[in-house]
Amino acid sequence: DFVMTQSPDSLAVSLGERATINCKSSQSVLYSSNNKNYLAWYQQKPGQPPKLLIYWASTRESGVPDRFSGSGSGTDFTLTINSLQAEDVAVYYCQQYYSTLYTFGQGTKLEIK
Amino acid sequence: EVQLVESGGDLIQPGGSLRLSCAASGFTFSNFEMNWVRQAPGKGLEWISYISSSGGITHYAGSVRGRFTISRDNDKNSLFLQMNSLRAEDTAIYYCATGGGSGGSCQDRWGQGTLVTVSS
Repeated sequence: DFVMTQSPDSLAVSLGERATINCKSSQSVLYSSNNKNYLAWYQQKPGQPPKLLIYWASTRESGVPDRFSGSGSGTDFTLTINSLQAEDVAVYYCQQYYSTLYTFGQGTKLEIK
Repeated sequence: EVQLVESGGDLIQPGGSLRLSCAASGFTFSNFEMNWVRQAPGKGLEWISYISSSGGITHYAGSVRGRFTISRDNDKNSLFLQMNSLRAEDTAIYYCATGGGSGGSCQDRWGQGTLVTVSS
């Protein structure tokens, strides 16, 4: 089974600064035949369902601000939020969908310092 | 506008059964994969089940395999989750979510969820 491990579990960043969240997969999620990483990032604000931010590891979902970016390949991935805004306070999850048994990371709670 | 509305959540005793529904609108339901994802109180997300657009392929997380059954009715734009032999650890908000869009099988649209509480 794929195990997704995020770091840190929580972080506090000042408004206007950059937040970086890491995600490591126990196995590669890069599919060689199409060179795509089957890795997504979600944002969940309190009391709301999750919202897809990034898919294929680095493609922003429609309507997602460009201060959100995803990078990485294989087993190591990063979600970067530039110029942090108050509305970015949330829990962020990575997910692999390479395997038919999709798995999420444990989540990273982002707060304002 | 895509809408997913879950229903059927309830307080149920351990060992009992419950059937969740998800009503879809605003898109061609029969073209999309569907999933159930749950979230225990104060915990993270757990994907639990997938069904292909035709309904012919299903997958389950190990924690629910053999107890839960996912199904769909494309004529009625509806997704279902039959939950049997419920346990306290099944207590969670259950979300339905679409898949198979531009991002492949990741879950790109979510409902608001329905709460299942398993307790005596």
